[in-house]
Amino acid sequence: AQSVSQHNHHVILSEAASLELGCNYSYGGTVNLFWYVQYPGQHLQLLLKYFSGDPLVKGIKGFEAEFIKSKFSFNLRKPSVQWSDTAEYFCAVSWAGNMLTFGGGTRLMVKP
Amino acid sequence: SAVISQKPSRDICQRGTSLTIQCQVDSQVTMMFWYRQQPGQSLTLIATANQGSEATYESGFVIDKFPISRPNLTFSTLTVSNMSPEDSSIYLCSVVLAGGITGELFFGEGSRLTVL
Repeated sequence: AQSVSQHNHHVILSEAASLELGCNYSYGGTVNLFWYVQYPGQHLQLLLKYFSGDPLVKGIKGFEAEFIKSKFSFNLRKPSVQWSDTAEYFCAVSWAGNMLTFGGGTRLMVKP
Repeated sequence: SAVISQKPSRDICQRGTSLTIQCQVDSQVTMMFWYRQQPGQSLTLIATANQGSEATYESGFVIDKFPISRPNLTFSTLTVSNMSPEDSSIYLCSVVLAGGITGELFFGEGSRLTVL
């Protein structure tokens, strides 16, 4: 079965630190890739997405992600995190237009 | 984007009872889905809500336990039947907007269900 793995379950950073959250998916052909964010008490929101083209995609709030096809990865990055980035981050993948499969999520806590 | 309204936002229920969750979208949508997010876990797709026909359920989910209706393009209900404490979860309605791309989902705020 197709799967999505997020290796970091909990991450704690200080403000201004750099962030990289890992996401790997199982092989299965053409993929669409997403990162969603859930801030405390709020609903899931789309952070960024990749369908095709430039493998480095930029999203809202200074986030970016790089699609590396050879590694089946789509890691999320931010050069300098803020306290307001405290949230849970979900990587999600759809294969050939099928339904989204979500990773297990990463809880990020940014200390002021 | 779209406004996706779910009711109730939260509820506390007794074992053995059933609860129906409603999802209303203010924009045209092509696809509607129901997800479950159990405490401390990720999202799991329950089913695709099909307009005017039976929902398409994922492995591990059955119609008798989670009956779903979608009488029109912008409204759907999910019923959690004969509830047990294991059904305590957040239930999320999500949609693909008309003109959008499969996989680019928008989510409601969820319905937090606690079963005692």
